[in-house]
Amino acid sequence: SAVISQKPSRDICQRGTSLTIQCQVDSQVTMMFWYRQQPGQSLTLIATANQGSEATYESGFVIDKFPISRPNLTFSTLTVSNMSPEDSSIYLCSVGTGGAAEQYFGPGTRLTVT
Amino acid sequence: GENVEQHPSTLSVQEGDSAVIKCTYSDSASNYFPWYKQELGKRPQLIIDIRSNVGEKKDQRIAVTLNKTAKHFSLHITETQPEDSAVYFCAARLRQGAQKLVFGQGTRLTINP
Repeated sequence: SAVISQKPSRDICQRGTSLTIQCQVDSQVTMMFWYRQQPGQSLTLIATANQGSEATYESGFVIDKFPISRPNLTFSTLTVSNMSPEDSSIYLCSVGTGGAAEQYFGPGTRLTVT
Repeated sequence: GENVEQHPSTLSVQEGDSAVIKCTYSDSASNYFPWYKQELGKRPQLIIDIRSNVGEKKDQRIAVTLNKTAKHFSLHITETQPEDSAVYFCAARLRQGAQKLVFGQGTRLTINP
């Protein structure tokens, strides 16, 4: 499977600020996704990052709050904007390769908003 | 949209015994069902998956069964070991091509020595 890295691994941020999380894959992948995992909870899909076009957001998530870029087939960023303590979560990217259905997760970014 | 229910939320078994986690899904068009294991502070790891054209799949001590008619699938772990302790998530893929996964709520499995 692909090697997936995320930066930063963790951060503590002030409310009202923004943080950009990077996801890098060591090979080209068809699909890239961003998830949120709140403490002790399951994984919730934020959006599908589409290469060369706007991301596809799930219900409850909007582009103004979570802008996403995907400039090529190996890299994507998620920005958490105008943060509040409720945004404290782990943010994970995942990738799907080719026609296979398998998804693999990055190591996650643990965000704490104070 | 798709909804995935997972039970139980916590499960405690004696080392060496078997553990079973069950999930139900709502969308009959779902065709792919993975299971992930997440250890504390780690990323979810894909441990086994099953597609809708198969009823059962095994990989050493773990197996997954699928009942399409009833729309439920289960994870079976035999001869449990302390390293099996983790949170397990089931998921369902909505439809062919979308590759979008909907996750269950998770099961915290504890193996007691």
